[in-house]
Amino acid sequence: GAGVSQSPSNKVTEKGKDVELRCDPISGHTALYWYRQSLGQGLEFLIYFQGNSAPDKSGLPSDRFSAERTGGSVSTLTIQRTQQEDSAVYLCASSLAEWIGGGLNYEQYFGPGTRLTVT
Amino acid sequence: KNEVEQSPQNLTAQEGEFITINCSYSVGISALHWLQQHPGGGIVSLFMLSSGKKKHGRLIATINIQEKHSSLHITASHPRDSAVYICAVRGETSGSRLTFGEGTQLTVNP
Repeated sequence: GAGVSQSPSNKVTEKGKDVELRCDPISGHTALYWYRQSLGQGLEFLIYFQGNSAPDKSGLPSDRFSAERTGGSVSTLTIQRTQQEDSAVYLCASSLAEWIGGGLNYEQYFGPGTRLTVT
Repeated sequence: KNEVEQSPQNLTAQEGEFITINCSYSVGISALHWLQQHPGGGIVSLFMLSSGKKKHGRLIATINIQEKHSSLHITASHPRDSAVYICAVRGETSGSRLTFGEGTQLTVNP
């Protein structure tokens, strides 16, 4: 079946503009995650959705970053007043919960990412 | 000190060699993931494990919870195995968020 899709694949924007990044998870996956990978750095957690709610948004780097999820499916990550340090690849992943080790754990399926360049 | 440390950072091997990538972590975890990131940027989840050992084809992942250590092994390596391999942990108290290692860049030469 279809995997996780993200759009756009590439986005170049001017400093100070707002951008919206979209994620379409695998159908039926209730959990959705946003990550960021800056050039030469490791992956960084941003926010996690379970259904339409975000129980963990602790990774959002500033109040310029926000995300929402509607209908338990599509999610949008919005960055307001973009800065050059926001340049990165933004990755989305989705998962079904799986019982492992006596607790719920999540095999995550990643999208191809959106490469954001702020000039 | 990062919560998740990988070694080596870079690894070059000849085709056919047995490869080991190590991951050490400093927190109690509920699960550990091994991910593969291809040169084009796509990420694939290889394993999720909380104890023991898992095998898939030429890949084997092991974890020792007491020692807070995991290894990813590749047998009979091939140039198509060239990628960045990333270890990530889900902490016992961190809910669903993953904490990632810096990754190991593997290059397998023919």
